[in-house]
Amino acid sequence: GAVVSQHPSWVICKSGTSVKIECRSLDFQATTMFWYRQFPKQSLMLMATSNEGSKATYEQGVEKDKFLINHASLTLSTLTVTSAHPEDSSFYICSGAESTDTQYFGPGTRLTVL
Amino acid sequence: GENVEQHPSTLSVQEGDSAVIKCTYSDSASNYFPWYKQELGKRPQLIIDIRSNVGEKKDQRIAVTLNKTAKHFSLHITETQPEDSAVYFCAASKGGTYKYIFGTGTRLKVLA
Repeated sequence: GAVVSQHPSWVICKSGTSVKIECRSLDFQATTMFWYRQFPKQSLMLMATSNEGSKATYEQGVEKDKFLINHASLTLSTLTVTSAHPEDSSFYICSGAESTDTQYFGPGTRLTVL
Repeated sequence: GENVEQHPSTLSVQEGDSAVIKCTYSDSASNYFPWYKQELGKRPQLIIDIRSNVGEKKDQRIAVTLNKTAKHFSLHITETQPEDSAVYFCAASKGGTYKYIFGTGTRLKVLA
């Protein structure tokens, strides 16, 4: 199956700093990438949908100025959490989709904000 | 709005027994229904999917059924094994690269 990687796999940062997470499709061209957030023992909550070369579409309640998404190429999307605070601590997962229905998920990034 | 309900939230079965997880979706335009298995701290892995033009699909011990009229779809796992223990998520989508609406998840525990 298609492979998606994420980097870093975990990160610890101080409150007020910014953190960038990369999501790469390794063996396919992801025309669309999705960013999710998952709290312990909860479901995946979609944050935003990004299409290559376009502005991301954010879900209701997600602050676009806080969670900056860039999808500059068909194999790379980035999520930057700006001015992170402890409540931003979570498991962030990306997925990529080519032209078919199936999304392929990255391994996730665990963010801890102190 | 778009919503997917999933039941039960937790399920314990004896090894060798069957497990059934049910989902109900609200958007009648949904036409693609994947099921993902997620082990603790790991990525969701697609285990089976079904499209709206099919009523049932089977892959070895795993099957999915879809009732479009009732807007229900279910995951069936037969001859469960301890390694089936994980959280299972259903999702509904309008297809293509449209977003998924995920269910709330079912924590399956297979007792040896």
